[in-house]
Amino acid sequence: QVQVVESGGGVVQPGRSLRLSCVASGFTFSSYGMHWVRQAPGKGLEWVAAIWHDATNKYYADSVKGRFIISRDNSKNTLYLQLNSLRAEDTALYYCAREDESVMDVWGRGTTVTVSS
Amino acid sequence: DIVVTQSPDSLAVSLGERATINCKSSQSLLYSSDNKNYLAWYQQKPGQPPKLLIYWASARQTGVPDRFSGSGSGTDFTLTISSLQAEDVAVYYCQQYYSTPRTFGRGTRVEVK
Repeated sequence: QVQVVESGGGVVQPGRSLRLSCVASGFTFSSYGMHWVRQAPGKGLEWVAAIWHDATNKYYADSVKGRFIISRDNSKNTLYLQLNSLRAEDTALYYCAREDESVMDVWGRGTTVTVSS
Repeated sequence: DIVVTQSPDSLAVSLGERATINCKSSQSLLYSSDNKNYLAWYQQKPGQPPKLLIYWASARQTGVPDRFSGSGSGTDFTLTISSLQAEDVAVYYCQQYYSTPRTFGRGTRVEVK
């Protein structure tokens, strides 16, 4: 079935880095744009970044611009999010989502990132 | 950035009664070239990821019960649950996808009265 599965979260100290992965299955990954969305504990949804199906365009929220990098490997059906210079306020559950007809229609269960000393 | 404002923050509705959630955007989400409103509604139950309910402001996602409906155009939108069921207890978010950054409302928590 159509699904995306995130991994790579963990506990990391402020200022350190982490790379999240999102493996897609059940659909032609290379045909779809992809997004990362995060949710801080007890809070709402915050869009983080997006990438076109062919990686020619990438977009970031101001809160992560210059620190996070979105990328993809279509040969591996995998989306990535490189998190650098992490801050306490980056602590959240990070979701990967597929974009179809501009809307995020398939979401993973998320991977948790905790930034703490 | 487009600001999306939801109201109310929470509401309690009796089983079988109607629930109405409002969403207002800081600018029109109606794209003139295709006459579509770039507004979606998501449902998030505790411990689960968001689930797409409505897109293009009023199109129901496959498999979503027809008690869920979306309406509105331009800057004002509404999600209606016509007859609340126990399984509808969740937080509901609206989101604009007219422009980047994609922005979400703060969410509306729906509970059973």
